[in-house]
Amino acid sequence: GQQVMQIPQYQHVQEGEDFTTYCNSSTTLSNIQWYKQRPGGHPVFLIQLVKSGEVKKQKRLTFQFGEAKKNSSLHITATQTTDVGTYFCAGPRGGADGLTFGKGTHLIIQP
Amino acid sequence: EAGVAQSPRYKIIEKRQSVAFWCNPISGHATLYWYQQILGQGPKLLIQFQNNGVVDDSQLPKDRFSAERLKGVDSTLKIQPAKLEDSAVYLCASSLGSGTNTGELFFGEGSRLTVL
Repeated sequence: GQQVMQIPQYQHVQEGEDFTTYCNSSTTLSNIQWYKQRPGGHPVFLIQLVKSGEVKKQKRLTFQFGEAKKNSSLHITATQTTDVGTYFCAGPRGGADGLTFGKGTHLIIQP
Repeated sequence: EAGVAQSPRYKIIEKRQSVAFWCNPISGHATLYWYQQILGQGPKLLIQFQNNGVVDDSQLPKDRFSAERLKGVDSTLKIQPAKLEDSAVYLCASSLGSGTNTGELFFGEGSRLTVL
């Protein structure tokens, strides 16, 4: 079935440094979503990308959808302690309903 | 607007016992999902309902897991008998959309299960 791979699994950064997580799919995606899960919390929707090559920004967060619609990235500029958590990408399950989530990138910020 | 409600928040049981989790989705959301999230991993879809019908339960271990959504609103997920590997957080989510364009999934706080 369709798989969504994320790298890196863990990322340690100093506060103020940038952070990027990458998501790759084995198949072309009609859309991709990103979620953030704080420690002990539940996944919270960040954004959905639909168009090939799409770039969307939310304050310090920049989301990209690849031209082939098989990869995506999330970039955070100048990380803050509030950015701590796990970032998941999720894509439609090929041939089935619902979303397949990647394993996530755990962002750890050292003050 | 009220979010997705789940209960209980925590449950500890011994292996071979049974447990049930309850979920009340956001009002008006026809699509309801149960996800299993093992520590350190991403959520894994167990079952998806559209109103009171099952859309996808291909990843549900049907020998021990069951779920229902009577009247197309609340849902319950049951595990009987539980195994050690069932220790996880069970997340309920709902969405307005369905199919390959679900739109945003709204998750509940989750029910953390520990099987001893």
